[in-house]
Amino acid sequence: QSVLTQPPSASGTPGQRVTISCSGSSSNIGSNYVYWYQQLPGTAPKLLIYRNNQRPSGVPDRFSGSKSGTSASLAISGLRSEDEADYYCAAWDDSLSGFVVFGGGTKLTVL
Amino acid sequence: QVQLQESGPGLVKPSQTLSLTCTVSGGSISSGGYYWSWIRQHPGKGLEWIGYIYYSGSTYYNPSLKSRVTISVDTSKNQFSLKLSSVTAADTAVYYCARDDGGNSRFDPWGQGTLVTVSS
Repeated sequence: QSVLTQPPSASGTPGQRVTISCSGSSSNIGSNYVYWYQQLPGTAPKLLIYRNNQRPSGVPDRFSGSKSGTSASLAISGLRSEDEADYYCAAWDDSLSGFVVFGGGTKLTVL
Repeated sequence: QVQLQESGPGLVKPSQTLSLTCTVSGGSISSGGYYWSWIRQHPGKGLEWIGYIYYSGSTYYNPSLKSRVTISVDTSKNQFSLKLSSVTAADTAVYYCARDDGGNSRFDPWGQGTLVTVSS
């Protein structure tokens, strides 16, 4: 059971816009930045979004992030076949002595 | 650019200690502001943060693993290491090392990962 809650799956057709949600609490998303990672099959995760809505260089502007209260979302517009991957959200959690928490991951299928 | 590479045994017996090393190239592990991290992924499952270390030696661990984990750093070799004691089959996973910029879960870059199987 992950601390951050994501839907296990999402899907869309090429060109569509899809969103993936990430729900947390006041001790993590509610008080800290959210990060998103993309994991293509058989590879290590890659940073996709940092500090809620910032894109590292090289990440297409089709990917965007947002945060409101204790929830965050990743949006992918102009869906492409190469976007088929697992997506994870992450945040620092202030409870106990502090630690990093991940969402359970969302498998995105491009139909 | 900075690159990370995990190394260590791919097979560990139950009750023994899992030991992995991450070698950092293209940059100094002593660069301030970065936390050197271990993350694992059970087969077919999601990501689990194990802990990280600052170059000064300060460590932060996942509370669920804290009693069994030790992360250390060797700045002279530009390496950091993971030791996980008393392993069971539940510790079978792909283990990744990664750099955390600021210690807030901004992991970039990542190593390629190494599969560690716990089995007799």
